[in-house]
Amino acid sequence: EVQLVESGGGLIQPGGSLRLSCAASGFIFRADRMHWVRQVPGKGLVWVSSIKSDGSSANYADSVKGRFTISRDNARNTLYLQMNSLRAEDTAVYYCARGGGPEQWGQGTLITVSS
Amino acid sequence: QSALTQPASVSGSPGQSITISCAGSSNDVGAYDYVSWYQQHPGKVPRLIISGVSSRPSGVSDRFSGSKSGNTASLTISGLQADDEADYHCLSYTRSDTWVFGGGTKLTVL
Repeated sequence: EVQLVESGGGLIQPGGSLRLSCAASGFIFRADRMHWVRQVPGKGLVWVSSIKSDGSSANYADSVKGRFTISRDNARNTLYLQMNSLRAEDTAVYYCARGGGPEQWGQGTLITVSS
Repeated sequence: QSALTQPASVSGSPGQSITISCAGSSNDVGAYDYVSWYQQHPGKVPRLIISGVSSRPSGVSDRFSGSKSGNTASLTISGLQADDEADYHCLSYTRSDTWVFGGGTKLTVL
């Protein structure tokens, strides 16, 4: 069974940094592209970032470019999102998701940026 | 990276069919056959129901179908059921090697 488990969320002050992790199991992690997607509760989904299966290439939404960095450790089956210079508008539930589509999603972790 | 355009809400009666549109541009929806649709019930994780414009993953009812014409993709749900009441989101790959979602559509089953 495919499992994606996000962690690292919480309350952070504006300007602060946070690193999210997504532990993957039940599939060949190193073979799949991975994404981060966020959602303000009650609002739509927003694509944040994606990384190729081997980590050789990554892309970002304009709203996070230069502040967020996606990475992965294929030996540990783990996806990361380093978030710096956080703003109030980054407050959302952050999901990791597997595959080009993407096909499967984790349960999400809530990030609240507030003083 | 402008969001794709979906109607904010649609509604239909049980047994009817509804269609949700997802309008993009020649840089996203119109550029590739990489459009996905997701169903999301309140408080739940998004569930993939259509990929590659019109392919249904295993386990998804054949009442769900997808299509594309030019820069607009569409999701059709036939034989509406109460459990279809949910939010629906479209997603497209873009020429910039990024992805973009629509704003989401709330489906109400009357």
